[in-house]
Amino acid sequence: ETGVTQSPTHLIKTRGQQVTLRCSSQSGHNTVSWYQQALGQGPQFIFQYYREEENGRGNFPPRFSGLQFPNYSSELNVNALELDDSALYLCATQTGSYGANVLTFGAGSRLTVL
Amino acid sequence: DQQVKQNSPSLSVQEGRISILNCDYTNSMFDYFLWYKKYPAEGPTFLISISSIKDKNEDGRFTVFLNKSAKHLSLHIVPSQPGDSAVYFCVRNNDMRFGAGTRLTVKP
Repeated sequence: ETGVTQSPTHLIKTRGQQVTLRCSSQSGHNTVSWYQQALGQGPQFIFQYYREEENGRGNFPPRFSGLQFPNYSSELNVNALELDDSALYLCATQTGSYGANVLTFGAGSRLTVL
Repeated sequence: DQQVKQNSPSLSVQEGRISILNCDYTNSMFDYFLWYKKYPAEGPTFLISISSIKDKNEDGRFTVFLNKSAKHLSLHIVPSQPGDSAVYFCVRNNDMRFGAGTRLTVKP
């Protein structure tokens, strides 16, 4: 148990639909980031939120968007789903203001797009 | 664009022997590299890091070596245990770029 909880654990959508994935942290860390892990690849950085503001973004299109709430929970929204969006989506909180940014991950939400 | 490369998708070793997992990078601008391990149905967990100003960092059975001239780092696990069987990711700290991972299997 890492203290980072993601929901749902699995879901199936069809192409063109929209999906919302959720993340909460028991510790209330104010930095949260989201990653996409496709099959056979390492996690790819989608974006990061710090105190409810987007604080960095990877190479993902605008249809990937997020929110962070005052209680430090977070959402990842993906619009107009494509088949290639099928992946494990990981949420992580971050410790370490200086030095290495150690991430604590949730177990992930596995999205299948048909 | 594989700026962080783990060229071995899998590695199998005998319990008690050394496991060596390799990672190469192309961009020399970094402050830290980190290693994470991932068990099935769990998120990655932090294992060990190394600063760009060091060439070695050790934590118990785990040691990471950094060779900046070769743009190469390696994670050594000695002795390897069956519980070490997992996927290991090399991560560049500046942009949180992950390698593709190496699946380690430690056989009893």
